Amino acid sequence: KAGVTQTPRYLIKTRGQQVTLSCSPISGHRSVSWYQQTPGQGLQFLFEYFSETQRNKGNFPGRFSGRQFSNSRSEMNVSTLELGDSALYLCASSSPGSDTQYFGPGTRLTVL
Amino acid sequence: TQLLEQSPQFLSIQEGENLTVYCNSSSVFSSLQWYRQEPGEGPVLLVTVVTGGEVKKLKRLTFQFGDARKDSSLHITAAQPGDTGLYLCAFRSSGTYKYIFGTGTRLKVLA
Repeated sequence: KAGVTQTPRYLIKTRGQQVTLSCSPISGHRSVSWYQQTPGQGLQFLFEYFSETQRNKGNFPGRFSGRQFSNSRSEMNVSTLELGDSALYLCASSSPGSDTQYFGPGTRLTVL
Repeated sequence: TQLLEQSPQFLSIQEGENLTVYCNSSSVFSSLQWYRQEPGEGPVLLVTVVTGGEVKKLKRLTFQFGDARKDSSLHITAAQPGDTGLYLCAFRSSGTYKYIFGTGTRLKVLA
């Protein structure tokens, strides 16, 4: 089985721009979660999608949004980028009824 | 306020040495997970501990869940360069079902 894939792997943007990151879960997994990882704050939960519905949300501003498609692929969008949004964005998928999350390699976003 | 405090924050040791890293909280958990994250990769689940006092072994790694289910430790015997990485503990909130990760211990094992 292919693992969780994330595209792109690296991204450089400037302040004020917006960005869309993509995540393809493991086949059969319907839950996708997104995390932001920074040296200062560690790994922080952004949101979780299950069957195209947002099931959970972390404490991030409304500039951070996401969605999930019928094939379970997910995207997250960050609008009006700020320098502090520079981070590794990770997505993780899990199968129904399981507590085990499988993480992708992440997208490294740099905001200049 | 960080719900999960990990210590030490950084650790650099020689190959063959033993080490222990800790994950502490004032909260009681129904279960706790340990992950390892290597550079350029996402975290990989190592183990889930569920019962207070539980000990689980994964080759040279020994995981223990505190009796009161408020803390956990990871002991590595005869560390190898391949053990290098960021070790994270995490739990799933029973109220919100969100995963909360600890601050992490960054381990470097020198050959």
